[in-house]
Amino acid sequence: GAVVSQHPSRVICKSGTSVKIECRSLDFQATTMFWYRQFPKKSLMLMATSNEGSKATYEQGVEKDKFLINHASLTLSTLTVTSAHPEDSSFYICSARVPTSTDTQYFGPGTRLTVL
Amino acid sequence: DAKTTQPPSMDCAEGRAANLPCNHSTISGNEYVYWYRQIHSQGPQYIIHGLKNNETNEMASLIITEDRKSSTLILPHATLRDTAVYYCIVSRTSGSRLTFGEGTQLTVNP
Repeated sequence: GAVVSQHPSRVICKSGTSVKIECRSLDFQATTMFWYRQFPKKSLMLMATSNEGSKATYEQGVEKDKFLINHASLTLSTLTVTSAHPEDSSFYICSARVPTSTDTQYFGPGTRLTVL
Repeated sequence: DAKTTQPPSMDCAEGRAANLPCNHSTISGNEYVYWYRQIHSQGPQYIIHGLKNNETNEMASLIITEDRKSSTLILPHATLRDTAVYYCIVSRTSGSRLTFGEGTQLTVNP
């Protein structure tokens, strides 16, 4: 299957700082990428849909000014958590849509964010 | 997208077949059934998907009932590494937004 990578895999930061997470499609071009968040023992919740060259579409309740998404190329989308606080600590997972007949979505390995 | 219902947990003996059920009684005619799994602290892994015919790949088989209101994911020879949360998702395409439910925690025992 298609490969999606994320960097970093784990990050610890102080409250009030900003953190950038990268999501890359390694062997295909992704016009659409998705960002999910997962709290402990909970299921994945979609945060936003990122389309290359256009503004991201955020799910209801997700603050677009706090979670900045940039999808500047067909292989890279970034999520920046601005002014992070302890309640932003979570597992952030990106995924990318493979534009084939099956239109399947593949996920990255996730980024564990801990805000102190 | 149609809602799905899965048992919260299942156990299976190593080497035996694991049969994971999913109910999706409100599925529409153009919606696919997708299965993903998530091993602890990793991103979800695509397993298989189908529309109305049964499907098989190197990982699993997907059996969809004739009325499409339910399906079963079959892992023919479960191993310890198959221990994970399995998600059944109904969507027009996997490329669109996916709504994850709580899934089924499958535990494969030695």
